[in-house]
Amino acid sequence: AQKVTQAQTEISVVEKEDVTLDCVYETRDTTYYLFWYKQPPSGELVFLIRRNSFDEQNEISGRYSWNFQKSTSSFNFTITASQVVDSAVYFCALSEAGSGGSNYKLTFGKGTLLTVNP
Amino acid sequence: DTGVSQNPRHKITKRGQNVTFRCDPISEHNRLYWYRQTLGQGPEFLTYFQNEAQLEKSRLLSDRFSAERPKGSFSTLEIQRTEQGDSAMYLCASSLRTEAFFGQGTRLTVV
Repeated sequence: AQKVTQAQTEISVVEKEDVTLDCVYETRDTTYYLFWYKQPPSGELVFLIRRNSFDEQNEISGRYSWNFQKSTSSFNFTITASQVVDSAVYFCALSEAGSGGSNYKLTFGKGTLLTVNP
Repeated sequence: DTGVSQNPRHKITKRGQNVTFRCDPISEHNRLYWYRQTLGQGPEFLTYFQNEAQLEKSRLLSDRFSAERPKGSFSTLEIQRTEQGDSAMYLCASSLRTEAFFGQGTRLTVV
């Protein structure tokens, strides 16, 4: 069974600090996908990134970076020089190709509430 | 706007009433998902459509819940005889490949 654990329930930082959000996953499949979503107070889940299980290359996009390590089943997310607008709940999610290889349903962690204070 | 659209955004209903939510996916997306999110939790999968076919339903989807996607376009989620435990945010997502794009959700409150 799939499982995603986000051990940090809440994190509070001061603007311009770097912050890392942790994500640990469990799966028995060899082919899977990992995602991060952002949920601001408005409620809409905003897609941030997708990684597949065969690509462990870290990725950087502006102030965001992701560290995928299969050896520790982790997919951590770092925000550099945080800003007040980064305040949101961040979800890590896991997807396996379901029956027929077409159902990429997501298993989410419980989320980490990030508050960036001015 | 070409994103996923959900209506209504908010719904307050009395226990025992039926409610129906609508989701309009991104037009070229053949996959459509419904999720439910309760306070302080991540979204949980409810059901999946590929085009008009409903291919998977979660055990969370009791007999009071039904979803349709006629003609593989918009989808509806109906809850019959609502209970207080049905109060949640109902999220719709669509995808063409592996990454899903979500609507803003319908927040249901059962009083």
